[in-house]
Amino acid sequence: KNEVEQSPQNLTAQEGEFITINCSYSVGISALHWLQQHPGGGIVSLFMLSSGKKKHGRLIATINIQEKHSSLHITASHPRDSAVYICAGITGNQFYFGTGTSLTVIP
Amino acid sequence: DTEVTQTPKHLVMGMTNKKSLKCEQHMGHRAMYWYKQKAKKPPELMFVYSYEKLSINESVPSRFSPECPNSSLLNLHLHALQPEDSALYLCASSQADYGYTFGSGTRLTVV
Repeated sequence: KNEVEQSPQNLTAQEGEFITINCSYSVGISALHWLQQHPGGGIVSLFMLSSGKKKHGRLIATINIQEKHSSLHITASHPRDSAVYICAGITGNQFYFGTGTSLTVIP
Repeated sequence: DTEVTQTPKHLVMGMTNKKSLKCEQHMGHRAMYWYKQKAKKPPELMFVYSYEKLSINESVPSRFSPECPNSSLLNLHLHALQPEDSALYLCASSQADYGYTFGSGTRLTVV
């Protein structure tokens, strides 16, 4: 069993829809990253969270430390949001990556 | 400068070639990482350098040889690779828990 589980694995949405990607982890971590990777591309760190909620533009990330659960929300989704979204727990120098959620937003 | 720069972006090499991947950051981060990512899989950690010393080597074959000449540079020397080593190689850097920054990767194809 992976230390970090994401759901769904694949997600297709119509442009404008509200999107939620969930992440659960079973290891002790000091922080959790939400990462974005476009096809064939490098990784961009969207958020680093250790508690509460962060917002950046149309993206919102929340974390519940007690429940070991985090969510990434995208409001008013757009085709350019199509990418793989990866949550990763961090402890020290060790990353625990989720398997990723492949998001496709259709115009 | 808030970037991790990786060169080259694409590399095609034969199984008898020797090549190097380069990673550079000027954010003062003291930990630097090499990851390997196969298609549709999450990145796999290969090496971690902390304060220019190798601190983690995740049982990577010796045909991959990392080098950290200074706190801003990280190299990955490649020799006698196999076709199954074709992947996206990602470099990242971090400073404590202030956050990680990833490079855009080098797409390596071994022929």
